Amino acid sequence: KNEVEQSPQNLTAQEGEFITINCSYSVGISALHWLQQHPGGGIVSLFMLSSGKKKHGRLIATINIQEKHSSLHITASHPRDSAVYICGPGGAQKLVFGQGTRLTINP
Amino acid sequence: NAGVMQNPRHLVRRRGQEARLRCSPMKGHSHVYWYRQLPEEGLKFMVYLQKENIIDESGMPKERFSAEFPKEGPSILRIQQVVRGDSAAYFCASSPGDILPGNIQYFGAGTRLSVL
Repeated sequence: KNEVEQSPQNLTAQEGEFITINCSYSVGISALHWLQQHPGGGIVSLFMLSSGKKKHGRLIATINIQEKHSSLHITASHPRDSAVYICGPGGAQKLVFGQGTRLTINP
Repeated sequence: NAGVMQNPRHLVRRRGQEARLRCSPMKGHSHVYWYRQLPEEGLKFMVYLQKENIIDESGMPKERFSAEFPKEGPSILRIQQVVRGDSAAYFCASSPGDILPGNIQYFGAGTRLSVL
């Protein structure tokens, strides 16, 4: 079993839809990253959290440490949100990554 | 405040040559992480360095790969005698400290290594 499981692996939605990407992990963590990888390959750190919820614009990330689960939500999705979203829980010194969720938002 | 700078962006090497990938962390960051992304695969941790120290190299292949982060200058990931299987995107990230709340990692644009 992988240490980090993301679901779904692929997600296609229409512009405006509410998007949820899930991440379950088995490693012990100090904090968890959510990353966005653009079609061109660049990586942007969206969030780092260890408890509760964080919000940035239309993006919301939540984490439940007891259940070892995190979710990334996108409200009012837009075609420019199309990317691969990667969950990365981390122990003291390194991150372990999920395979990513490929999100496509159609206009 | 410039972000994490990686160079070159693209690197082509023939089998058996050496590849040197450079990473300059964000100003004020003393922690550097190297990750590899093989084609159609996820990101994998390679090595974690602080200035002049390798903290965790558990993700580094046992042979041909080495990394350093000298007191002055960029971090270097060095691959000797490259093989086709080394073709991948190599990403560097930096942070102000260990993986703790608030110490978000900032990623460079990556170096895409192609081995012919």
